[in-house]
Amino acid sequence: GAVVSQHPSWVICKSGTSVKIECRSLDFQATTMFWYRQFPKQSLMLMATSNEGSKATYEQGVEKDKFLINHASLTLSTLTVTSAHPEDSSFYICSALLSSGLTDTQYFGPGTRLTVL
Amino acid sequence: AQSVTQLGSHVSVSEGALVLLRCNYSSSVPPYLFWYVQYPNQGLQLLLKYTSAATLVKGINGFEAEFKKSETSFHLTKPSAHMSDAAEYFCAVSDGANNAGNMLTFGGGTRLMVKP
Repeated sequence: GAVVSQHPSWVICKSGTSVKIECRSLDFQATTMFWYRQFPKQSLMLMATSNEGSKATYEQGVEKDKFLINHASLTLSTLTVTSAHPEDSSFYICSALLSSGLTDTQYFGPGTRLTVL
Repeated sequence: AQSVTQLGSHVSVSEGALVLLRCNYSSSVPPYLFWYVQYPNQGLQLLLKYTSAATLVKGINGFEAEFKKSETSFHLTKPSAHMSDAAEYFCAVSDGANNAGNMLTFGGGTRLMVKP
């Protein structure tokens, strides 16, 4: 149980285009999902918290107009990188929050590697 | 504010040897603590978590971790390393009862290498 998928797993795009990444919780409902960015050989940096049916909460320094987040259902959150540039190339990982009794646990997707040419 | 420090960005052990990955945290409230493993080009997989129950937590793949409040530590151990354990390991903390598992603060990660 507690499986999270991401699509696509790998994408290459031209500078100036937009890319949408999907994050799905396959066997549970998640009112809260998270989007992280990971640079090579570094830890995960939280970009934003996505709440179903409401606006996402962005971390300081993350441009909300550039990284559009939509959490339209309890099993799907999307991250759209608008007008992508080479510096946006990174590994993007989502997680979905599973509430279980007293403990909530984040379960992570397999990640999406974005390369902007 | 919470923080996590993982001592040693790289740890190398021989196959069959003890694995010890260190994690120290700081938190103003009783924390919840997590260890995740990441294989190359993959997301994070939960190994184990501490949520104020037993201080010795057993996880998957033979790993366990012990919460020591006096030392503010949550070190990850495995008695005998296997080649398949080679991966990146992340320790993470959340602010416990206020926000269990919700907002995670990650350590810098430790890359475990296993020599044959």
